[in-house]
Amino acid sequence: QKEVEQDPGPLSVPEGAIVSLNCTYSNSAFQYFMWYRQYSRKGPELLMYTYSSGNKEDGRFTAQVDKSSKYISLFIRDSQPSDSATYLCAIRGSNYKLTFGKGTLLTVNP
Amino acid sequence: DAGVIQSPRHEVTEMGQEVTLRCKPISGHDYLFWYRQTMMRGLELLIYFNNNVPIDDSGMPEDRFSAKMPNASFSTLKIQPSEPRDSAVYFCASRVAVSGNTIYFGEGSWLTVV
Repeated sequence: QKEVEQDPGPLSVPEGAIVSLNCTYSNSAFQYFMWYRQYSRKGPELLMYTYSSGNKEDGRFTAQVDKSSKYISLFIRDSQPSDSATYLCAIRGSNYKLTFGKGTLLTVNP
Repeated sequence: DAGVIQSPRHEVTEMGQEVTLRCKPISGHDYLFWYRQTMMRGLELLIYFNNNVPIDDSGMPEDRFSAKMPNASFSTLKIQPSEPRDSAVYFCASRVAVSGNTIYFGEGSWLTVV
């Protein structure tokens, strides 16, 4: 079993839709949970991170972590064409070694 | 700040040739990471340094790969000899310990080995 599993999509939604992106992980030692956004032909950039179960909100973005189920989610409200990118979940334990999901390609259509 | 700077941005080389990828981390950052991204395997950590010292190179695929960080502002990833299966995007990233979980990625070096 891979340490982090992410549905690769692709996911195509109309502008204004609510988007749900998800990852599961296998190692309960993971402590920090992150979402990165990667535009085409660019490097990933950190979008959000959290280290506890529950929700964390930042504008239109909400990160959710359920440690009991080893499940993390990113919700995007009122999606915009500028949100079109690949979204990667990333998880790490007590060291600085990030384990990434393969990414979900999202397209928001105007 | 200019961000993490990588060179070359694109390289096409023939199998068997030596490839050297270069990275300048953000000034003041004490961690440097080399990642490789492919469609099949996603983003994989190859090696990371702390204060110029290699800490974990368990992701380096084989002896053909080597990485150095001679000083705080420069690192190289070398592949010798290169093979077609090394074709990928190689990212360098850096962070500073006090910044928490924020790792800053460069724009990547796109390598094609023919």
